[in-house]
Order: sequence, then C-alpha cells, then structure tokens
Amino acid sequence: EVQLVETGGGLIQPGGSLRLSCAASGFTLSGNYINWVRQAPGKGLEWVSVIYSGGSTFYADSVKGRFTVSRDSSKNTLYLQMNSLRAEDTAMYYCARGLGDCGGDCYVWGQGTMVTVSS
Amino acid sequence: DIQMTQSPSSLSASVGDRVTITCRASQGISNYLAWYQQRPGKVPKLLIYAASTLQSGVPSRFSGSGSGTDFSLTISSLQPEDVATYYCQKYNSAPLTFGGGTKVEIK
Repeated sequence: EVQLVETGGGLIQPGGSLRLSCAASGFTLSGNYINWVRQAPGKGLEWVSVIYSGGSTFYADSVKGRFTVSRDSSKNTLYLQMNSLRAEDTAMYYCARGLGDCGGDCYVWGQGTMVTVSS
Repeated sequence: DIQMTQSPSSLSASVGDRVTITCRASQGISNYLAWYQQRPGKVPKLLIYAASTLQSGVPSRFSGSGSGTDFSLTISSLQPEDVATYYCQKYNSAPLTFGGGTKVEIK
C-alpha cells in the first residue's frame, strides 16, 4: 500500500527544536518530490517546503533559515528539522507526495502530526 | 513568487445549485493547478489535477477548467456532502503555493 506516515509532533517551548519524520511505504521517496504542508488551527493550508528527487530543497519565506528538510534513502524516510520554533509554527504538519507529471497517480498525503509551540 | 488568489472566500448555496470557485495566479502556471477538498478534521482530498483532470473516484459533478493564470472549479449540482473548504494549489515549481481557500456551506 502506498502511504506516508508522519511522526515526531508534540508540545515544544518557543525557541525550541523538533524533528518530524515522514516514512514512506509502497514507493521510493528519493524518486519523487515530497512536500511539507502545514495547517494552523482554523486556518488554511500553507506550503512549507519541498525536496526534489535530485535533492534540491526550497522553503516558504516564513520558515527559511529555521527549517531544514532532508531524507534518508536507506530508511525511505524524510525529515523536517525545525529550529527556533515560534508560536505561529503551531500547526498540523503533513507530508505529501508532489503531483508533478504523474498527476493523480502520485497523490499521497500522510495523516499529519501536530506541533504545538507554547510555554 | 507567484501568488494564488481564490474567490470567494466563502459561499452559501442551495442543494442542487451550480457553484463556481475561481483561482487566479499572479503569473502563468500553464496547467499545473490542483484542487483539493478538505472536510473538517480530515486530510485534503485531491479532486482535480492538471487544471481539468478529474481524480479517480471523484464524482463527475466536479469539474475544473482554465490555463495560464485563470482557473475555476465547478460543482454542477451541490450536494450536502460537498460542504467543505476548497483549495487550489500551483505545482509547476517552488513555492507550491495554495490559495486562501473557499468555504462552501448549504443554505
């Protein structure tokens, strides 16, 4: 079964760090581009970052310099390292396979992991 | 960066009504546009990709159109289960920006 499973969320104090994981099954992460998308409580979807199959990464301005995405091909797992966390980073974080040129066949989203930044 | 502007931000319509949501890109994105439906507490569900291709399993009352900068999602006959928030997303290149969302309710 093709799926993504996020883990690593939780309650963290402002200024702290957290690493989210996104484990893939049924397909190879490194052959696809994978997005991180977040949704603050009661708010809309916000694209956070992407890692392309070639390894290049891009970030939303709101997280640039604080968040880093990486992957471990041996574990077929993606990571989102989040540093200098702020209250406004509180959100459900989803990993999602990019549609690219394979369109709907590539549609996979995880169930999400909740990050709460609060003292 | 390309901005994605959705309108309206919310709408209320009767069961059976035809509903149209628009999404405008600040620069051309060809047809790299997807539409998602999100019900409360649920993961976004892909409805349309490549601007007008219906995702497998999605009811045919949903349709998408457009290319370049102007896109639309139409529900031909609104059903109670269509109550949700709808988002457009560009996916031609990073940043893969979402529109602000359109909340659809039943009148």
